[in-house]
Amino acid sequence: AQSVAQPEDQVNVAEGNPLTVKCTYSVSGNPYLFWYVQYPNRGLQFLLKYITGDNLVKGSYGFEAEFNKSQTSFHLKKPSALVSDSALYFCAVRGPQNSNSGYALNFGKGTSLLVTP
Amino acid sequence: KAGVTQTPRYLIKTRGQQVTLSCSPISGHRSVSWYQQTPGQGLQFLFEYFSETQRNKGNFPGRFSGRQFSNSRSEMNVSTLELGDSALYLCASSLDPTGSSYEQYFGPGTRLTVT
Repeated sequence: AQSVAQPEDQVNVAEGNPLTVKCTYSVSGNPYLFWYVQYPNRGLQFLLKYITGDNLVKGSYGFEAEFNKSQTSFHLKKPSALVSDSALYFCAVRGPQNSNSGYALNFGKGTSLLVTP
Repeated sequence: KAGVTQTPRYLIKTRGQQVTLSCSPISGHRSVSWYQQTPGQGLQFLFEYFSETQRNKGNFPGRFSGRQFSNSRSEMNVSTLELGDSALYLCASSLDPTGSSYEQYFGPGTRLTVT
């Protein structure tokens, strides 16, 4: 089954420092990987995706993610964190296509990022 | 373009009642998916619709159902509500679920509270 794991429930970082939110994946075949962010009482916002190509993917709001096939990881990164980046971050993988050509996104349990001034 | 809209935003129901939630996808998006988000179980996939057909269904009881209309708008229905159905219900739409543009765009959600 296609799945992702986010090993950290919470990540704390000081404003201005680089941040990393970790994600590892388990898939059969080529992975379709995504990062989403959720602010309190809001839906999920798409940040970036990896389908194929360059291992470093650039996304919204200065975020990027590094795809590492040998380590089966897809870590989210940002060179300089902002207090406004504090939110819940979800890694997701597209599930396998079913007999009706349907798909689903399988999400990790989320990582709470806290950026302190 | 307007984003995904969901109505209502908040809902309080009593056990045993039924509820219908509505979702309007981004214009031009034909795939609509529904997810349930709870603190304990996280984000769980409910079902996906494409061109009025349910193409995929998650592991939820038959009390959870949905449909999609010809204009791609979707509704989900939960019958005989249970306390455990209290959750944030998220709708997401995407342009091309079979290709590389599979990112889903989410609405703000409907917060359902069952008392």
